[in-house]
Amino acid sequence: QVQLLESGPGLVKPSETLSLTCSVSGDSMNSGTYYWTWIRQPPGRGLEYIGYVSYTGSTNYNPSLKSRVTILVDTSKKQFSLKLSSVTAADTAVYYCARDHTYHGSFDHWGQGTLVTVSS
Amino acid sequence: EIVMTQSPGTLSVFPGERVTLSCRASQSLGINLAWYQQKPGQAPSLLMYDASTRATGVPARFSGSGSGTEFTLTISGLQSEDFAVYYCQQYANWPPKTFGQGTRVESK
Repeated sequence: QVQLLESGPGLVKPSETLSLTCSVSGDSMNSGTYYWTWIRQPPGRGLEYIGYVSYTGSTNYNPSLKSRVTILVDTSKKQFSLKLSSVTAADTAVYYCARDHTYHGSFDHWGQGTLVTVSS
Repeated sequence: EIVMTQSPGTLSVFPGERVTLSCRASQSLGINLAWYQQKPGQAPSLLMYDASTRATGVPARFSGSGSGTEFTLTISGLQSEDFAVYYCQQYANWPPKTFGQGTRVESK
C-alpha cells in the first residue's frame, strides 16, 4: 500500500519561497503509470491543483501558478518536492502531495497534508 | 479552464436516506470525472473515477452516473460515516485539473 508524507516548514515569510518534500513509501516511483502531484486547500475552502512531475522529471503546472512553481523528483530517494516562490498570504493553505493515476486522471493516494502559513 | 459547479452547497439528511449530489461542467468532459470524500482534518479520498467506476474498497452504496456536462453521485442508504464534504474533479482538459467547490453532507 503506497503511502505519501509531506514535510517542510509550517511558516514562511511573505516574498520568500515555500519548500515542501513528499516522501513515498510502499511502491516504486519508477513507473509511467503515475504522476506525482501537489494540490493545495486554503483553510475552509476548496481544492486547487498545483502541478505534477513524472518519474522522468517532466512537469506540468497550473497556468495560474506556473511562473512561481517548480516541482522536482528524486526517484533514488523516493521523494518529490515543491517550491513556490514570492509567496503571499493568499498562498496559506494545507498542501497535499498525491499520486495521479495516468490511466484515469484521478488522485488515488494522498498524503495527510501539511499546513503552510504565510506570515511575517 | 473548465469550471466545475456542485449543487447543493449543503445537504442536511437523516442516516438511511438516499442522497444525490450534482456536478456540472462548463464544457463536455465525456466521462473524465472523479468524486472524492473529505472528512474534517483529513485528506480527500477517491470514491469514483471515469464517472461511474468505484475506487478500490469503496462500498457499493456509492454510485456515480452521467457524462458530458452533468454528473451525479448517489449514496443509497447514508451511513453515519458518510457525513463529509464531497468534491468532483475533471481530467478531460488540463492543466489545470479542476475541482468543484464541494457539497457538504450534514446530519439533520
